[in-house]
Amino acid sequence: DADVTQTPRNRITKTGKRIMLECSQTKGHDRMYWYRQDPGLGLRLIYYSFDVKDINKGEISDGYSVSRQAQAKFSLSLESAIPNQTALYFCATSTSGKGGAKTQYFGPGTRLLVL
Amino acid sequence: QKEVEQNSGPLSVPEGAIASLNCTYSDRGSQSFFWYRQYSGKSPELIMSIYSNGDKEDGRFTAQLNKASQYVSLLIRDSQPSDSATYLCAVKSSYDKVIFGPGTSLSVIP
Repeated sequence: DADVTQTPRNRITKTGKRIMLECSQTKGHDRMYWYRQDPGLGLRLIYYSFDVKDINKGEISDGYSVSRQAQAKFSLSLESAIPNQTALYFCATSTSGKGGAKTQYFGPGTRLLVL
Repeated sequence: QKEVEQNSGPLSVPEGAIASLNCTYSDRGSQSFFWYRQYSGKSPELIMSIYSNGDKEDGRFTAQLNKASQYVSLLIRDSQPSDSATYLCAVKSSYDKVIFGPGTSLSVIP
């Protein structure tokens, strides 16, 4: 089984709808992240969470909200979807702790189309 | 200035050649540097990490770091068609965030 899973893998929705993307991990990592990827723009951080009670905005949080239901679960919501939120969304996890490299492990991605 | 920049692609190299991918970063206090490979439609996967000046080799891959010049590179020796992918440079900044570059698309021509 995959260590980081995302559901759904593909989603088509209409403008104005509220949708939720879910992420679960079995790696036991404290830190979880949501990114979106658009062609030519790389990965942009939406929100990140260093533990269940620590949630922080990334560089493009407007129009999004998150919930860290447990150490292993981190959900991303689009309150009122708009077409420019059409993108590939990735969840990622990493370890915590001082110093050293913190490799991020990515889920398979959710492809979202907002009509 | 963007925090992490990569040489614009697409980069095309013949099979067996050396592919050179470059990345510069703006935060002089950055300590950890990563190269991820992403195949089309797939998620990024880590191929190298480096945090000391100099070279780090892993098989056909060599990461090079020069903190004074704020520059990190990835060399792929004996390039194979299976190396065709987008390569993402990522930098862990002094404020404990990992910033990704826009990626460089590499195409290895048989």
